[in-house]
Amino acid sequence: DAMVIQNPRYQVTQFGKPVTLSCSQTLNHNVMYWYQQKSSQAPKLLFHYYDKDFNNEADTPDNFQSRRPNTSFCFLDIRSPGLGDAAMYLCATSRDLGRDIYEQYFGPGTRLTVT
Amino acid sequence: RKEVEQDPGPFNVPEGATVAFNCTYSNSASQSFFWYRQDCRKEPKLLMSVYSSGNEDGRFTAQLNRASQYISLLIRDSKLSDSATYLCVVDGANNLFFGTGTRLTVIP
Repeated sequence: DAMVIQNPRYQVTQFGKPVTLSCSQTLNHNVMYWYQQKSSQAPKLLFHYYDKDFNNEADTPDNFQSRRPNTSFCFLDIRSPGLGDAAMYLCATSRDLGRDIYEQYFGPGTRLTVT
Repeated sequence: RKEVEQDPGPFNVPEGATVAFNCTYSNSASQSFFWYRQDCRKEPKLLMSVYSSGNEDGRFTAQLNRASQYISLLIRDSKLSDSATYLCVVDGANNLFFGTGTRLTVIP
């Protein structure tokens, strides 16, 4: 049974056309993350929510926004996609296990193509 | 200096071989360490968590050396299905720092 679900799995958008990627989880984890991963690179954290608290990474472009309307759902909005934004976008969840331990569980990812 | 550094490989080993990967991290305050496995065009999947000096799960053994700030992953009796990229991951308070991964190919 899927625990972290991402839709769509593949998304094609045009240069400059806004796009929204979605993530849902059945784990009831309080932390949700969005990563960008390009070929042969490590996942790069864009931002995360700790409960309702939004935490943006310093180097995440303003072009990327996120919403978390409830515990289960989190959205990634790319306001004006550029060719350089083509990548795999991974959603992950975790819960606080104490002692600053956060095991993260990833969704299958959405592969974004920008034409 | 990167938070987490790994040898990118590739490591090409015959079936049945033992292979070890090393990973170094820069933050001496890190408490949690993980190895993730990532298959081509798939998401990372948690392989092992390391909280104390090490962890063992079947053919997989992870060891942590806090003094030298490195983590290792040992795979014994390699299977073809072990072919993947192995990501070393270290906590950074509410988020994780990923290494770029070590590519392993097990050859028949």
